[in-house]
Amino acid sequence: EVQLVESGGGLVQPGGSLRLSCEASGFTFRNHWMHWVRQAPGKGLVWVSRIHTDGSATNYADSVKGRFTISRDNAKNTLYLQMNSLRTEDTAVYYCGRDNLGPEAVGNWGQGTLVTVSS
Amino acid sequence: QSVLTQPPSASGTPGQRVTISCSGSSSNIGSHVVNWYQQLPGAAPKLLIYSNNERPSGVPDRFSGSKSGTSASLAISGLQSEDESDYYCAAWDDSLNVVVFGGGTKLTVL
Repeated sequence: EVQLVESGGGLVQPGGSLRLSCEASGFTFRNHWMHWVRQAPGKGLVWVSRIHTDGSATNYADSVKGRFTISRDNAKNTLYLQMNSLRTEDTAVYYCGRDNLGPEAVGNWGQGTLVTVSS
Repeated sequence: QSVLTQPPSASGTPGQRVTISCSGSSSNIGSHVVNWYQQLPGAAPKLLIYSNNERPSGVPDRFSGSKSGTSASLAISGLQSEDESDYYCAAWDDSLNVVVFGGGTKLTVL
């Protein structure tokens, strides 16, 4: 069974940093692009970032470019999102997802981890 | 404001057929496949349709997708109460080099 388990969310002050993790199991992690998608309270889904199977290529939403860094450790089956210079508008549930079945089709999602940026 | 445009709400009665539209441009829907997601209240999103019109295993054939030009649609036939959910379209955008989502459509089963 495919499982994605996010962790690392919490309360952080504006300007602070946080690192999210997404532990994968039930599939060959190194074979799949991975994504981060976020959802602010009461709002819609917003794509954040994606990373190639071997980490050689990444893409970011303009709103996080230069502040967030996506990475992966294929030996540990783990995806990361390093978030720096956090802003109140980064407050959201962050989901990790596995790209499978088709181009940019996120076929498996984690349960999400809540990041709250507030003073 | 989302790059892909969806109606904020839709509704139907049990057994009815409803469609949800998703409008984009030549840099996204016009040149890339569209994926659709369902998000039940309080839950993570779920892939409903991929590559315009393909259903993942386990998704009922009541759900179907189509694409024409720079627009796409999700159709739900034989509407059921458990279909009450938020629905999102998404596609890659060449100009922005990102995945773009629609703003979401809240479907109410009357």
